[in-house]
Amino acid sequence: GAVVSQHPSWVICKSGTSVKIECRSLDFQATTMFWYRQFPKQSLMLMATSNEGSKATYEQGVEKDKFLINHASLTLSTLTVTSAHPEDSSFYICSARHRGRSYEQYFGPGTRLTVT
Amino acid sequence: GQQLNQSPQSMFIQEGEDVSMNCTSSSIFNTWLWYKQDPGEGPVLLIALYKAGELTSNGRLTAQFGITRKDSFLNISASIPSDVGIYFCAGNNAGNMLTFGGGTRLMVKP
Repeated sequence: GAVVSQHPSWVICKSGTSVKIECRSLDFQATTMFWYRQFPKQSLMLMATSNEGSKATYEQGVEKDKFLINHASLTLSTLTVTSAHPEDSSFYICSARHRGRSYEQYFGPGTRLTVT
Repeated sequence: GQQLNQSPQSMFIQEGEDVSMNCTSSSIFNTWLWYKQDPGEGPVLLIALYKAGELTSNGRLTAQFGITRKDSFLNISASIPSDVGIYFCAGNNAGNMLTFGGGTRLMVKP
């Protein structure tokens, strides 16, 4: 149990376009989902926290108009990178907090974004 | 954001050897979690610790929640090649936000 999926697993897009990444909790409900960004050989950097049915909370330095987050249901959150630039290229990982085990977060497999 | 101090940053070990890594913090945490991340994948939860002093095992893995609630260690016994990867500790505070360590990159000599 506690499986989180992400789609797509990798994507290549051109500068100026937008890309949407989906995060789903497959076998549990997640009241809270988190979006992280990870650069090569570095730890995970929290970008934002999203709660079902409410606006996301962004970490300092993360542009909310650039990284649009929607948490429409207890099993789905989406991250849209708008007007992508090459510096947005990174590994994006979501995690979901298990509704019944609130101290544990389960991570998706990640999405590799390359902006050309 | 804040990071936990995780050490060592990387290590080479002989197959069959035991491995030990730890995390320390200046802050108290309510929960300690240990994750393993393989290349190109998301982190996978290995062990969750909920009480100070708690010692928990998962197969060849053993982790402990420090008495002061400011540290935790992870031991891997009899390492094998598939143990290769990056191990992250994470502390969970009252706000239910995870703070991650910098990671320990484990490399095993076959």
